Amino acid sequence: EVQLVESGGGLVQPGRSLRLSCAASGFTFDDYAMHWVRQAPGKGLEWVSGISWNSGSIGYADSVKGRFTISRDNAKNSLYLQMNSLRAEDTALYYCAKAHFPEWLDTGDYFDYWGQGTLVTVSS
Amino acid sequence: EIVLTQSPATLSLSPGERATLSCRASQSVSSYLAWYQQKPGQAPRLLIYDASNRATGIPARFSGSGSGTDFTLTISSLEPEDFAVYYCQQRSNWPSTFGQGTRLEIK
Repeated sequence: EVQLVESGGGLVQPGRSLRLSCAASGFTFDDYAMHWVRQAPGKGLEWVSGISWNSGSIGYADSVKGRFTISRDNAKNSLYLQMNSLRAEDTALYYCAKAHFPEWLDTGDYFDYWGQGTLVTVSS
Repeated sequence: EIVLTQSPATLSLSPGERATLSCRASQSVSSYLAWYQQKPGQAPRLLIYDASNRATGIPARFSGSGSGTDFTLTISSLEPEDFAVYYCQQRSNWPSTFGQGTRLEIK
């Protein structure tokens, strides 16, 4: 059974940093790209960032480019999101999501498994 | 970026009825469109990918159609567990984008 478990969320002041983690199990982690997708309270879904299986390809939404850094550790079956210079508009539930297709797709992918999310609240 | 517009915003139907949800893209996305279901307090679940392919474990009452800019998710006969919010998503152009959602509620 595929499981994705996020952690690291919390309340943080504007301008500060936070690091999210996602522990994966139930599939061959280093066969797939992984992504972060967020959902602001009561709002829709927004793709944030993605990383290929070997970290050779990485992408970011314009809204987080230059502030967020995605990474992975295949030996630990883990995905990370380092979030710096946080803003109020970054407040959201952050989901870790597995790419549907094994290969990295330059235009994006679908997400066939999701974690339950970790809540990030940016407020003073 | 490609904008996906879903309609209607809210759809009120009864169990057993047929549901038709629409997603329109601001430019062609070919067949690179997916549908997700999200229930309160839960993560989204992939239903349909590449416009018409059912994801693993998805019941046959869910079907997708369309190409280019106009897409439809059809639920042939609503079950009580189908009342939820539905999102479409495109992967034709970077960045991948989602529609704003259609809430399917019990009438």
